[in-house]
Amino acid sequence: GQQLNQSPQSMFIQEGEDVSMNCTSSSIFNTWLWYKQEPGEGPVLLIALYKAGELTSNGRLTAQFGITRKDSFLNISASIPSDVGIYFCAGPSSNTGKLIFGQGTTLQVKP
Amino acid sequence: NAGVMQNPRHLVRRRGQEARLRCSPMKGHSHVYWYRQLPEEGLKFMVYLQKENIIDESGMPKERFSAEFPKEGPSILRIQQVVRGDSAAYFCASSPIHGQDTGELFFGEGSRLTVL
Repeated sequence: GQQLNQSPQSMFIQEGEDVSMNCTSSSIFNTWLWYKQEPGEGPVLLIALYKAGELTSNGRLTAQFGITRKDSFLNISASIPSDVGIYFCAGPSSNTGKLIFGQGTTLQVKP
Repeated sequence: NAGVMQNPRHLVRRRGQEARLRCSPMKGHSHVYWYRQLPEEGLKFMVYLQKENIIDESGMPKERFSAEFPKEGPSILRIQQVVRGDSAAYFCASSPIHGQDTGELFFGEGSRLTVL
């Protein structure tokens, strides 16, 4: 079935640094989504991308929908301690519509 | 709090007991989804329900697991005769339309099941 692969698996950075993470698949997705999950909480939608090549920002976050529709990246600029959490990419399965999640990128920020 | 409400937040059961997890969707949302998250892993789809109907249960184990979303009241995920491998966080999400087409699902805070 369709799978989403995220990299890196984890990151430990200094406050103020920029962060980049990505998500790839061997199959095409028509929608790419980025969610953030903080410890002990449920995931919260950060950015939704609906068109190939689309670049969307939400504050310090920027995400792009790859032209091939098989990848997406998420950038966080000038990281702060509250950026800590697990970042998931997700997309609806083409045949069933189920939302498929990547395995997540865990971000830790050192003040 | 107008968000997705799940309870209990934490549940401890011994092997062989039953676990019941409840989810009240956001007001105005008629679509409910259940996901399971094992430690250090992503979320795995279990089941998608609308009021009184199971739409897609392709992610549900064939035995011991069941879900419902009655006309009145919360959605319930029921696990019978729990085993240690059922220990996980179970998340409920809701959407006003078929949110999986757009990905705009609103998640609850999860119910964490521990099986001793």
